Amino acid sequence: GENVEQHPSTLSVQEGDSAVIKCTYSDSASNYFPWYKQELGKGPQLIIDIRSNVGEKKDQRIAVTLNKTAKHFSLHITETQPEDSAVYFCAATSSSGYSTLTFGKGTMLLVSP
Amino acid sequence: KAGVTQTPRYLIKTRGQQVTLSCSPISGHRSVSWYQQTPGQGLQFLFEYFSETQRNKGNFPGRFSGRQFSNSRSEMNVSTLELGDSALYLCASSLAVDSGNTIYFGEGSWLTVV
Repeated sequence: GENVEQHPSTLSVQEGDSAVIKCTYSDSASNYFPWYKQELGKGPQLIIDIRSNVGEKKDQRIAVTLNKTAKHFSLHITETQPEDSAVYFCAATSSSGYSTLTFGKGTMLLVSP
Repeated sequence: KAGVTQTPRYLIKTRGQQVTLSCSPISGHRSVSWYQQTPGQGLQFLFEYFSETQRNKGNFPGRFSGRQFSNSRSEMNVSTLELGDSALYLCASSLAVDSGNTIYFGEGSWLTVV
């Protein structure tokens, strides 16, 4: 089945710096790659997603890039703010054809003022 | 538009009991999935329902079951609870079941088994 590796597990940055989180996946048939932000005590919130026919997508301070050949995708957050502090999860769809997601282990991002 | 709604938010059960969790998907969404989140195993897929039929199932024992109603609302049940079932149970919904649909999560139901 699908396997998703996520790095780093923790990331500390100063406010205003950029943060990059990287994920690799194993199933070349995967075609949908969402990113979720999870704050303490809450459910995962979708922040951005990308489909396999697109190489990059941006939404204000957040961007995601996808390299299908290397089977990796990355989340880029620019001009980080303290409220960006949370756990971020990458995910990929399985080859089953269903919308089942396989998640990475998560990255705890801490933005210090 | 309302998001994915899960009830109850918090509950405590005793080993051996059973529990039922409820999920109302986003209006118009017909696919509902359930995930278990624990510190050790992370987010793991339980099962997915579409049009009242289970379409996909994760690697969990038969004590975990679910169903979907004609209005797309879903319930999951865990019987003969074990301490290891303590987790955050998340419901997610999407328009359809095929890969590539945007998936939204609810706030989850926190289950503690004592």
